[in-house]
Amino acid sequence: EPEVTQTPSHQVTQMGQEVILRCVPISNHLYFYWYRQILGQKVEFLVSFYNNEISEKSEIFDDQFSVERPDGSNFTLKIRSTKLEDSAMYFCASNTPTEEVDEQYFGPGTRLTVT
Amino acid sequence: AQKVTQAQTEISVVEKEDVTLDCVYETRDTTYYLFWYKQPPSGELVFLIRRNSFDEQNEISGRYSWNFQKSTSSFNFTITASQVVDSAVYFCALSEASGGSYIPTFGRGTSLIVHP
Repeated sequence: EPEVTQTPSHQVTQMGQEVILRCVPISNHLYFYWYRQILGQKVEFLVSFYNNEISEKSEIFDDQFSVERPDGSNFTLKIRSTKLEDSAMYFCASNTPTEEVDEQYFGPGTRLTVT
Repeated sequence: AQKVTQAQTEISVVEKEDVTLDCVYETRDTTYYLFWYKQPPSGELVFLIRRNSFDEQNEISGRYSWNFQKSTSSFNFTITASQVVDSAVYFCALSEASGGSYIPTFGRGTSLIVHP
């Protein structure tokens, strides 16, 4: 069964450093998403991506964040100048929603720890 | 502004009991989507269902069923004959209908513990 993969599973970085979180969505999906979940809290939508551009983004997704699909398979989330409060689990997801098929597939997540 | 309320922080049941997880939402949109997701102790997120605001039919999938009532802005989730493997945090979410992508607002989640 196809699956969304994410690397690394755990990333530790120092405050102020840049990190890139990587995702490989399911190959025939068209929509890609990033979510984050601060430990013990609710899931928060960050951004959705379609047709090589951002289609929607939340208030959390400020200039510190960027997304890219550098090739036909990877979908990356870059966080510039990380802050302590960026420590969270980051989930990637993909789908191609239609009226009949609506399932969204999630990756296993990357745990980001900013020290 | 959109809001999702899951008033039950934690529910504890014994295996084989039925359990209902409540979800109440607020939106000014006339077209929207409602979702349920499961997050087991291992931490991954699992999509369970999407419901379009125009479709108030209840849905059943095995032991899972969903009751969507627009009149009370609720989208409740029932697990029949619960099992230990159902132990997880369950999130309800609401998204405006925006082309093909979702912009979900999540509730705070309900932690379900099923005891053997």
